[in-house]
Formats: sequence, structure tokens, C-alpha cells
Amino acid sequence: GDSVTQMEGPVTLSEEAFLTINCTYTATGYPSLFWYVQYPGEGLQLLLKATKADDKGSNKGFEATYRKETTSFHLEKGSVQVSDSAVYFCALMGRGTYKYIFGTGTRLKVLA
Amino acid sequence: NAGVTQTPKFQVLKTGQSMTLQCAQDMNHEYMSWYRQDPGMGLRLIHYSVGAGITDQGEVPNGYNVSRSTTEDFPLRLLSAAPSQTSVYFCASRFRGSNQPQHFGDGTRLSIL
Repeated sequence: GDSVTQMEGPVTLSEEAFLTINCTYTATGYPSLFWYVQYPGEGLQLLLKATKADDKGSNKGFEATYRKETTSFHLEKGSVQVSDSAVYFCALMGRGTYKYIFGTGTRLKVLA
Repeated sequence: NAGVTQTPKFQVLKTGQSMTLQCAQDMNHEYMSWYRQDPGMGLRLIHYSVGAGITDQGEVPNGYNVSRSTTEDFPLRLLSAAPSQTSVYFCASRFRGSNQPQHFGDGTRLSIL
């Protein structure tokens, strides 16, 4: 079945450091791919998405590119801030299905 | 613009008690879902609905019931609470379509003693 694998955390960075959170997926066909962010005490919020190969999703300085050849959707940001501290979830939805498949989440801590 | 509203935010139950977690959305979304979030396990789908009057089981449905009598509401019922159901529960909704994002409520933190 479909699955999402993302790097375990926590990831601890200093402010202004470069961020990469790895995400790979297994799915039949061409799923839609998403990154969600969860701040403490809140629900998940959509951060960005990509719906076809080579699409780049971007939002708030975060980017991720849909790589069909490597089945990956890695999240990157050039310069993190303390306010980026949160849990990040990679997710997919297969074509013709209802269900989202979520990764286990990666906690990011950014130190001032 | 309320989005997805969950109540209560916190609840403590004793083993064997029953309760209903409420979820309401005001975005006219067709699809609604209930997830539980446990440390190291991400989000697991409990039940979902593709429209009023239609519900189906997700990955971990045992011990939970749902109904969808209106487009707006999707309550989750715990029939006889067990300590294994201690978790954070999230309701989500979205429009039909494979690239539609989900909108989440802020969660209900449930402890079963």
C-alpha cells in the first residue's frame, strides 16, 4: 500500500541555518504531495503542496520539489527562524482515493 | 471564519465511560475525517465520511462510532473508554478532489484513567 517515510527528529538548528527534512514515498500512479506544519497546541496547517512531477511548492520561505524519479518531496528552507519551531508532516493522497497517508512527523527546534 | 471547530479541548474519563467528541465545519466541505495522534506514530485515520449519511472505517476504527446526519457535523463517539484510547484527536475536512488540502481543528486532548 501507499506509504510515506520521513526523517526522525528532533532536528535542532541555530537561527539562520539551512533546513532540509527528507521525505520519500511509495505509491501507485501519481499522488499529490503535501507538507503540513503543527505548532504547539494546534492542529495541522497546510504549508505547501505539489500535484505533479517536477512541481515546486513554496510558502513562507519553505520549498519542496516533487521528484518522481527518486519518489521524494524533501522540505527545504534557506534560513530558519525561531518561529519555525514546530512538527512537520509529509503526506500524500493517491489518485482516485480518498485517504491521506501521513508520515510520522519531524520535530524542528530552532535556537536563537 | 471559524473553519473546523472541535469540542471539548481537554477531557479526562474513567475506564468504561462513554463520551462524544464534537466536530463542526462551516466551509461546506464534503469530506470529513477523524484522526488520532500518538507519539512516534503520526496521524492514524479512525473514521471518515464522504458526505451526509455516508461513513466508513479507517485504519483504527475499533472502539469508536461516527455518524454524519448533516454536512456540517461529524461527531466521534467512544463507546466504552479504555486507557489505550488516551490520545489527541483531530477532526479534518476538505473538498472533494485528489489535490485538496485538509483543514484541521485544534484537537481534543483525551486522557483515560
